[in-house]
Amino acid sequence: DTAVSQTPKYLVTQMGNDKSIKCEQNLGHDTMYWYKQDSKKFLKIMFSYNNKELIINETVPNRFSPKSPDKAHLNLHINSLELGDSAVYFCASSFRTGDGYTFGSGTRLTVV
Amino acid sequence: GIQVEQSPPDLILQEGANSTLRCNFSDSVNNLQWFHQNPWGQLINLFYIPSGTKQNGRLSATTVATERYSLLYISSSQTTDSGVYFCAVESGANSKLTFGKGITLSVRP
Repeated sequence: DTAVSQTPKYLVTQMGNDKSIKCEQNLGHDTMYWYKQDSKKFLKIMFSYNNKELIINETVPNRFSPKSPDKAHLNLHINSLELGDSAVYFCASSFRTGDGYTFGSGTRLTVV
Repeated sequence: GIQVEQSPPDLILQEGANSTLRCNFSDSVNNLQWFHQNPWGQLINLFYIPSGTKQNGRLSATTVATERYSLLYISSSQTTDSGVYFCAVESGANSKLTFGKGITLSVRP
């Protein structure tokens, strides 16, 4: 029933590992996003996809690679995890023409 | 890019009090939303309000787009209102939300 769902909710992993976070939305939205919330609670966009095509890539390291198999899914793969990648990652979706964004419940990533 | 400033940064209220949270933005916007991040980290969409006034129970919001600000009113505050309130805007053709730094609200019983 959840509109935007992310998995996993928590992820603890060692430096150097590769991990993925999955996101799915059932709202029929055509645009999906990844946002990062740092330790000071600041939220910043990382990527945006519209109908499976990348439209925003905000100076994110190449270790981060989003993949959108269809417009209802946007996954985030992170290679060679670093301590500084520890944060909460939020997936969101919207219609490109507006009407508001809906956020998932977040994935808390801790790199040790 | 567009700048979003929220004030005050922190707010402490006694249960039952009213409050006003402010969001100023530096350019015209085609989307403005208020979110509440609860203590469990969930981002709850409160209002989609690029202009005008909306009300939802004890909460209401007003955006004066021509003067580039929005206000969120909380009346008869409850402890469950505690958390961080974010204002976020979308401007121009860029399909992304730019967030303010948030207002941390603590409502004490």
